[in-house]
Amino acid sequence: AQKITQTQPGMFVQEKEAVTLDCTYDTSDPSYGLFWYKQPSSGEMIFLIYQGSYDQQNATEGRYSLNFQKARKSANLVISASQLGDSAMYFCAMSRSGSARQLTFGSGTQLTVLP
Amino acid sequence: GAVVSQHPSWVICKSGTSVKIECRSLDFQATTMFWYRQFPKQSLMLMATSNEGSKATYEQGVEKDKFLINHASLTLSTLTVTSAHPEDSSFYICSARRGGAYEQYFGPGTRLTVT
Repeated sequence: AQKITQTQPGMFVQEKEAVTLDCTYDTSDPSYGLFWYKQPSSGEMIFLIYQGSYDQQNATEGRYSLNFQKARKSANLVISASQLGDSAMYFCAMSRSGSARQLTFGSGTQLTVLP
Repeated sequence: GAVVSQHPSWVICKSGTSVKIECRSLDFQATTMFWYRQFPKQSLMLMATSNEGSKATYEQGVEKDKFLINHASLTLSTLTVTSAHPEDSSFYICSARRGGAYEQYFGPGTRLTVT
């Protein structure tokens, strides 16, 4: 069985600063994907970044980067130059093996960016 | 591209009635669609996975006779909550994935309130 753990229920960061959101995972699958989604108060889930388990380099998408440490089973999200609009719930997720690739989500981290 | 819509965005119904929620992929064909449920300040819990033209696969603990899923075409999946009760009140979110793609694109969600 897969498990995703996000140990930070809430985080605060000053505008323009960088912030790291933690995510650890546990799986016996040799091949898996790791995702980060953002959920603003409106409720929509916004895809941010993806890392495949066999990818050698850490994924980056604009101000988002994923710090993938396979041996430690961690996939932390780094947001650089935080903006007020980054305030939201952030979910780490992992895809199961198999053709459907269902996602298992962590409990989420509520990020608040302070002006 | 990769837009997923849901209808309705919110619905209030009386206990004992049934409610249908639609999920459409607007600009791509979704080989697989997923239905999630989210309680306030909690994570997303996968309810079921559906593939076009075949029966949905339900997660353990989800009553398939209560939550009817129909994946009628490559762009439409419906979730029907039958004989709704107040404990079924929740935020229901669908997502869709293209064949071969790794990411899921989420709809905006439907807030169901059963009185």
